[in-house]
Amino acid sequence: GQQVMQIPQYQHVQEGEDFTTYCNSSTTLSNIQWYKQRPGGHPVFLIQLVKSGEVKKQKRLTFQFGEAKKNSSLHITATQTTDVGTYFCAEGGSNYKLTFGKGTLLTVNP
Amino acid sequence: DARVTQTPRHKVTEMGQEVTMRCQPILGHNTVFWYRQTMMQGLELLAYFRNRAPLDDSGMPKDRFSAEMPDATLATLKIQPSEPRDSAVYFCASGLSDRGPYTTSGNTIYFGEGSWLTVV
Repeated sequence: GQQVMQIPQYQHVQEGEDFTTYCNSSTTLSNIQWYKQRPGGHPVFLIQLVKSGEVKKQKRLTFQFGEAKKNSSLHITATQTTDVGTYFCAEGGSNYKLTFGKGTLLTVNP
Repeated sequence: DARVTQTPRHKVTEMGQEVTMRCQPILGHNTVFWYRQTMMQGLELLAYFRNRAPLDDSGMPKDRFSAEMPDATLATLKIQPSEPRDSAVYFCASGLSDRGPYTTSGNTIYFGEGSWLTVV
């Protein structure tokens, strides 16, 4: 299956700073989903992007799908301690298979 | 509030013992996934089913792992014999795939809380 690479692997920020994680693929992605996993918890669906160049917002979170559909990003504005967790991108390929990146662990210093 | 239910939540077992993990998908969901999560490998897809039929189990070590769906409300993942390297969190997830086999829009999946397995 397709491989999605996520960077950075870890990110530590001060509360109030912005945060961005990137998801990249060498091949065209059919769609991208983003999930958040709190420490000790399970992945929880955040959003799905399907169209080239698509941008979606959820409060302080902005999700983008690249024009070539080979990359995606999640940007958090003014991080809060509640944003702590691991953010995963996942590629939804044909036949329902969902392949996850390795995730970006975000820690926030209050 | 519909959710995926997994049992056991925690399991400590000795090497060589059989381990069976169970999952009850959300009622009405037709796709069930088994993922394994470790620090080193992240979330690995072990197997998944649609309408109870196995679609892909290429991520699963066949010699000791087996996954089944005896009915639409139960999925099982079995390890026999277990080894210390199997220690991980095993997640079951379910979703509703209703747009045909080659959808381009993907489908949201919902994870259970996981089964935390330690093999000593």
